Amino acid sequence: GAGVSQSPSNKVTEKGKDVELRCDPISGHTALYWYRQRLGQGLEFLIYFQGNSAPDKSGLPSDRFSAERTGESVSTLTIQRTQQEDSAVYLCASSRQGAPGNTIYFGEGSWLTVV
Amino acid sequence: AQSVTQLDSHVSVSEGTPVLLRCNYSSSYSPSLFWYVQHPNKGLQLLLKYTSAATLVKGINGFEAEFKKSETSFHLTKPSAHMSDAAEYFCVVSRNTGGFKTIFGAGTRLFVKA
Repeated sequence: GAGVSQSPSNKVTEKGKDVELRCDPISGHTALYWYRQRLGQGLEFLIYFQGNSAPDKSGLPSDRFSAERTGESVSTLTIQRTQQEDSAVYLCASSRQGAPGNTIYFGEGSWLTVV
Repeated sequence: AQSVTQLDSHVSVSEGTPVLLRCNYSSSYSPSLFWYVQHPNKGLQLLLKYTSAATLVKGINGFEAEFKKSETSFHLTKPSAHMSDAAEYFCVVSRNTGGFKTIFGAGTRLFVKA
């Protein structure tokens, strides 16, 4: 498709399990972002990729969170030993370049529920 | 440092009346500013953006926003609300710090009454 694609769209997992969330950005977009949105809250920045490197990972909330990107394309956000407070929508976005003024296009999000 | 504040968590208007969603920002540099809309169970959609060109920016669905540097504001307006405008609206500021970061406001929920 032409937009940012995320999978799974919904995930229910047990506390303590690991989860992987996948993002396929728009083709040709070098910048990729992960955000988290808890219920009723604004968006929380997690990590930014330029190409395959992550110049800004300051938003990752703990060392249980990690992300990688390969081939300047697909990115995977991994949450280890999930906790209930990890329940949120995880939004991926991409833009043509990681510079201000470039429109960021968002995926539909992956809804994660930790029970 | 930069930040963005959306002054109202909820706004309620009647269909056909004007919409005003307020946003103030703080930035040490000339910012890029955006408004995004999020409908229930949908991803974010760009409404409009300001990138140091015209201070009055027109977006989709009849929305517009005016960049006022003296007031550090970027309020979103629409002359006449429609039921389909009911959604969450996010004001966003960004700049390249060498460690790029985009800052989102907490969001304003717009309710439109028939």
